[in-house]
Amino acid sequence: AQSVTQLGSHVSVSEGALVLLRCNYSSSVPPYLFWYVQYPNQGLQLLLKYTTGATLVKGINGFEAEFKKSETSFHLTKPSAHMSDAAEYFCAVGTDSNYQLIWGAGTKLIIKP
Amino acid sequence: SAVISQKPSRDICQRGTSLTIQCQVDSQVTMMFWYRQQPGQSLTLIATANQGSEATYESGFVIDKFPISRPNLTFSTLTVSNMSPEDSSIYLCSVRQGASYNEQFFGPGTRLTVL
Repeated sequence: AQSVTQLGSHVSVSEGALVLLRCNYSSSVPPYLFWYVQYPNQGLQLLLKYTTGATLVKGINGFEAEFKKSETSFHLTKPSAHMSDAAEYFCAVGTDSNYQLIWGAGTKLIIKP
Repeated sequence: SAVISQKPSRDICQRGTSLTIQCQVDSQVTMMFWYRQQPGQSLTLIATANQGSEATYESGFVIDKFPISRPNLTFSTLTVSNMSPEDSSIYLCSVRQGASYNEQFFGPGTRLTVL
């Protein structure tokens, strides 16, 4: 079975500062890993994904994440936060053995002016 | 990626009534999912809508409360029956295209408030 843990229900950073949102997963088979973003009053939008190959993946809006198998992590980063990044971020894991996605609890990113 | 629309975008309903939510996709998709997102919470899968067969429900969700239809490969409905205030949530439709990597695309959601 798979599981996802997102550390920190709320993360607050200043505009221009580094954004780091943490995601750790558990999976007995090779995982597919996703980050989704949900802006207020909207559905979820795929930010980036890791499936196979290069472990550092780049997504939209300047975000990137690195798959670290030894640490079972897939942390999301952005070098410089922008006010428009304020949203809820969800990490999810999937595998070939299960068509569903397993979701983390979400992290609300707050940007301070 | 697929473009997904949902109707209605929001509604306020009275206790004991039912609401049907529609999900329309601009291309044929293999799998469609219905999620519930309670206020401040993560996503909970209600069911997988299968074309031509009954939906597959997750633990804690039953067909009598959340009947689902999927008449073709681009459309599905979710009905929330005999509503109570506890059903106040965002209901999200998502789709999986092809067989690649479990990636899902989401509709904008339906925001339901039950009084």
